[in-house]
Amino acid sequence: EPEVTQTPSHQVTQMGQEVILRCVPISNHLYFYWYRQILGQKVEFLVSFYNNEISEKSEIFDDQFSVERPDGSNFTLKIRSTKLEDSAMYFCASREVLPYEQYFGPGTRLTVT
Amino acid sequence: QQQVKQSPQSLIVQKGGISIINCAYENTAFDYFPWYQQFPGKGPALLIAIRPDVSEKKEGRFTISFNKSAKQFSLHIMDSQPGDSATYFCAAKNNFNKFYFGSGTKLNVKP
Repeated sequence: EPEVTQTPSHQVTQMGQEVILRCVPISNHLYFYWYRQILGQKVEFLVSFYNNEISEKSEIFDDQFSVERPDGSNFTLKIRSTKLEDSAMYFCASREVLPYEQYFGPGTRLTVT
Repeated sequence: QQQVKQSPQSLIVQKGGISIINCAYENTAFDYFPWYQQFPGKGPALLIAIRPDVSEKKEGRFTISFNKSAKQFSLHIMDSQPGDSATYFCAAKNNFNKFYFGSGTKLNVKP
């Protein structure tokens, strides 16, 4: 069964450093998402991406964040200058145009020290 | 502004009992309402979903009840099992493909 994969599973970085989180969505999916989940809290929408551009973003997704689909398979989230409060699980998800079902990856745990 | 409100925060149910989790939403433009199940250390997994033109959807032991006029929807887990112990999130999608999640319900099914 196709699945969304994410790498790395755990990333530790120092405050102020740049990180890139990687995702491989399901191959025939056209919508891609990044979500954040601080430990024990709810899943928060960061950004959606369709047709090679951002279709929607949240207030969390400020200038420190960017997304890219550098090739036909990868979807990346870059955080330019990490802050302590960026420590969280980051989930990638993808879906077809229809139906609306999203499929989530296993997540990347980002720890900023 | 909390677009989707979920309750209760935690729930303890005996094996074989019915688990009920409720959500309420504000935005009448939401057009898709999924429920996700999340185990510790894993990503959310879609459990069941409903569109607003349907009042109820059942898949196995899981049922969504949807009340459009009250802007509420709920998840019912029949014959709850210890393996159902997880955190459950309701969500809603707007017509710009943004998903809003509820705050989550931690379900514990006692054997």
